[in-house]
Amino acid sequence: DAKTTQPTSMDCAEGRAANLPCNHSTISGNEYVYWYRQIHSQGPQYIIHGLKNNETNEMASLIITEDRKSSTLILPHATLRDTAVYYCIVRAPYNQGGKLIFGQGTELSVKP
Amino acid sequence: DSGVTQTPKHLITATGQRVTLRCSPRSGDLSVYWYQQSLDQGLQFLIQYYNGEERAKGNILERFSAQQFPDLHSELNLSSLELGDSALYFCASSRTGRGGSGNTIYFGEGSWLTVV
Repeated sequence: DAKTTQPTSMDCAEGRAANLPCNHSTISGNEYVYWYRQIHSQGPQYIIHGLKNNETNEMASLIITEDRKSSTLILPHATLRDTAVYYCIVRAPYNQGGKLIFGQGTELSVKP
Repeated sequence: DSGVTQTPKHLITATGQRVTLRCSPRSGDLSVYWYQQSLDQGLQFLIQYYNGEERAKGNILERFSAQQFPDLHSELNLSSLELGDSALYFCASSRTGRGGSGNTIYFGEGSWLTVV
C-alpha cells in the first residue's frame, strides 16, 4: 500500500483558507488519492478524491502535482466546524480490494 | 447520513464474552469494510467482503470473524473478548472495490464496544 505523509497538526483562522499538504511519493499510476475527515469520534466523512487532475466539489478543492507525488486539500473558507482530523489516503488498487489504509492524519484546529 | 447503518450503537460486555456487530451497507453497495479504532491504534483495517466473498484481510485477530450475507448485510463476530478489544468499530461500504467516481467508500457511525 502506498504510504502518505502528513503534518501532525495545523492551525487555521476562521474564514481563511486551510491548505493541508500530503506526500505520497510511492503512488502508482492507477491509484487514487482520497481525503476523509473525522470529527471527534464520528464516522470518517468523505471529502474528495482525485487521480491526476485537480478536483473541486462543494466541500473542498484537491490539487495534485503533475508527478502525483504530493497533493493539497484546500478548504476555501474554514469554519469552526471544520476542526477535525484530516486523512490523506492512497486507495489500494482493485486487485487488493480497493481498501483504505488510514495513517495518523493531520489534526486541523480552526480558531476564531 | 452516509446510508451505512450499524447496530448496536453502544455495547457493554464482560471479558470472555462474544458479541456480534451488524452492518447494513448503502443501497446497491456490494463491498463492505470493517475497521477498528482504539485510542492508541488509530483506524485499523480489519477485513473486506465483496458480494459475499472475502476480498482483503488486514490486522484481524483470530478471535474475530466476519461474513457477508446474500442480502449484503455484514456481521463482525468478536469472541473471547479482552479489555483491549474495547474500541469503536466502523463499517463502510462502496459499490465495488474500484477507485474513482461512483465507488466512494462511505462509513457508518460506528459501534462502541466496551469490555469490562
